[in-house]
Amino acid sequence: DGGITQSPKYLFRKEGQNVTLSCEQNLNHDAMYWYRQDPGQGLRLIYYSQIVNDFQKGDIAEGYSVSREKKESFPLTVTSAQKNPTAFYLCASSIDLGWAFSGANVLTFGAGSRLTVL
Amino acid sequence: DAKTTQPTSMDCAEGRAANLPCNHSTISGNEYVYWYRQIHSQGPQYIIHGLKNNETNEMASLIITEDRKSSTLILPHATLRDTAVYYCIVRVGNTDKLIFGTGTRLQVFP
Repeated sequence: DGGITQSPKYLFRKEGQNVTLSCEQNLNHDAMYWYRQDPGQGLRLIYYSQIVNDFQKGDIAEGYSVSREKKESFPLTVTSAQKNPTAFYLCASSIDLGWAFSGANVLTFGAGSRLTVL
Repeated sequence: DAKTTQPTSMDCAEGRAANLPCNHSTISGNEYVYWYRQIHSQGPQYIIHGLKNNETNEMASLIITEDRKSSTLILPHATLRDTAVYYCIVRVGNTDKLIFGTGTRLQVFP
């Protein structure tokens, strides 16, 4: 079955440590995204990538880094510079039609990774 | 950045239709309206999307006003499992970014 796999599901980290969240998709989607969700809040975009070896900052990119070396993978690193890293992190992917094509852009989400900083 | 407005919460009796409204008065002519839902501590699930015409699938119906400034998601026979947060979203400008607001928390009761 095609889908998005995020790991780990739960992660605990000490302050000052970097941590990397994994996101893998086998949907052959070009675009991938990372969102952050805090309790009772909506999703906020951290980073997104429309093609391999290219990515753009979202609205809350500070303290995070990403890479896109393979089409299937889009790992997110939460660095020690992120002041409030405790959150629920969601990865998503979509067929990147590009705005120029005026097509629909349906996202498929993973199950999420919950990061807690101790 | 939010381009949609939704009520914070709604209730619906099991078996009845749930009608979830959304205002998107600044939507552009070629922008789609998308609906997702999120059950607690899970990833959002795609429901439906539309451009101008009303749409229906196995999960729901989407009614878009003629001026496209608002839409309504209809769950025809709500069940307890439909209790979730429902997000109405549109694309941000000329990008592929979809910005999720805080959505509508739908509570279906017996």
